[in-house]
Amino acid sequence: DGGITQSPKYLFRKEGQNVTLSCEQNLNHDAMYWYRQDPGQGLRLIYYSQIVNDFQKGDIAEGYSVSREKKESFPLTVTSAQKNPTAFYLCASSIIEWSRNQPQHFGDGTRLSIL
Amino acid sequence: DQQVKQNSPSLSVQEGRISILNCDYTNSMFDYFLWYKKYPAEGPTFLISISSIKDKNEDGRFTVFLNKSAKHLSLHIVPSQPGDSAVYFCAASARRNNNNDMRFGAGTRLTVKP
Repeated sequence: DGGITQSPKYLFRKEGQNVTLSCEQNLNHDAMYWYRQDPGQGLRLIYYSQIVNDFQKGDIAEGYSVSREKKESFPLTVTSAQKNPTAFYLCASSIIEWSRNQPQHFGDGTRLSIL
Repeated sequence: DQQVKQNSPSLSVQEGRISILNCDYTNSMFDYFLWYKKYPAEGPTFLISISSIKDKNEDGRFTVFLNKSAKHLSLHIVPSQPGDSAVYFCAASARRNNNNDMRFGAGTRLTVKP
C-alpha cells in the first residue's frame, strides 16, 4: 500500500557530525517537504521540492541540506552547522494540482537526539 | 511570526459530547485551511480541509467552520469518541504559492473521557 516512509524512527548524533534522514514515498507525488517540530510549537518548514533536481529553502533552512535526485526520495542532511538539531523531523508529500488545493501527507517522523 | 494560532493547548471532553477546537490566523492571503490529527510517535494525518470560498465543510462526525471576517476556523467533532483523543493541528496556506507556505498552529491536545 502507498505511503511515506521515514527512517530511522530514532537517531542519535554526536556533536560535530552530519547525519542524513531518509524519506521515501510511493504515492507518485510531485512535491515533498521537510518540517521540524519542537515541543509546544507548530511545524516549521525546512526545505521543499516540487520537481526532481530542484528544491527551495523554507523558513529554517540554515544548517540543513537536501537533494531530490529521484521523485520518490527526498533525504535531509542535518549538518554540524545546525546548532540545535534535537527535534522531531517530519517529511511530507503532496500532489501538485494548479486548479485545486491538495493536502500534504506525512510520514511517521524521525526523532533526532544529540549525544 | 505565528500566522496560525491555536490558543488552547488542551481540551477535555466527555464521550458523546461535542468537541470544539479553535484556530485563528493573521494572514489574509490564506485561502486553504486544514486540520490534521496526530497520535504519539506517528506523523500527522490529514482530517478535513476547507477552501475560503466556503464557510462550512462536513465529513461524517467532523465539521470545519470558517469565518473569514474574523480570521477564525473551528473543528467540531460530534459525537466525540475516546479514539479521537490526539493532538489536532490547524494549518493554512495560500494556493497562489501552491501551498508551499503552509503554516501550522502549535496544536491542541484533545482528551475524550469515557
